[in-house]
Amino acid sequence: RKEVEQDPGPFNVPEGATVAFNCTYSNSASQSFFWYRQDCRKEPKLLMSVYSSGNEDGRFTAQLNRASQYISLLIRDSKLSDSATYLCVVNAYSSASKIIFGSGTRLSIRP
Amino acid sequence: ETGVTQTPRHLVMGMTNKKSLKCEQHLGHNAMYWYKQSAKKPLELMFVYSLEERVENNSVPSRFSPECPNSSHLFLHLHTLQPEDSALYLCASSQDRTGTFYEQYFGPGTRLTVT
Repeated sequence: RKEVEQDPGPFNVPEGATVAFNCTYSNSASQSFFWYRQDCRKEPKLLMSVYSSGNEDGRFTAQLNRASQYISLLIRDSKLSDSATYLCVVNAYSSASKIIFGSGTRLSIRP
Repeated sequence: ETGVTQTPRHLVMGMTNKKSLKCEQHLGHNAMYWYKQSAKKPLELMFVYSLEERVENNSVPSRFSPECPNSSHLFLHLHTLQPEDSALYLCASSQDRTGTFYEQYFGPGTRLTVT
């Protein structure tokens, strides 16, 4: 089993739709969780950190489910500019050195 | 300049060449990273430096040699590479404290082609 798994997609949804991705992780001792977005041929950019209590930033909501070992990202009222690959990142230890990136989920928003 | 910068942005080199990639961060962070991103593969962590000391080397072949002269600069020295080393090499930085991991900020990457 991979340490961090994501549905590769692509998710193809109309503008204005709500879309959700999950990311599962295998190490129950994982400490830190993040969502990044990566545009084609660009570097990953931090979208949001994921806190135990869940957090929201505008149209984006991130949740952590420790019991089932997954994190989720919900995008409401999707825009064309949301088209990108979304990477989940899990830090398996309380150190910067054991960072695992998922393979990413590709999202395409159509007009 | 702000954020994390990388030079060169593109590099083509032969298998017998020696070249270096440079990364500079202007964020006041104390940890820097090298990642490799190949087509259709997740990012692979190569090296981590925290407070200028290498704290991680993820079984990277010796033809890749990192150097961190200070907390703002990171180099990746390349020699006798193989065609399968062609990839996007990304540098990142973060503020790292023992027991707490903070989010990383990435540079634009160097797209390397080995011929």
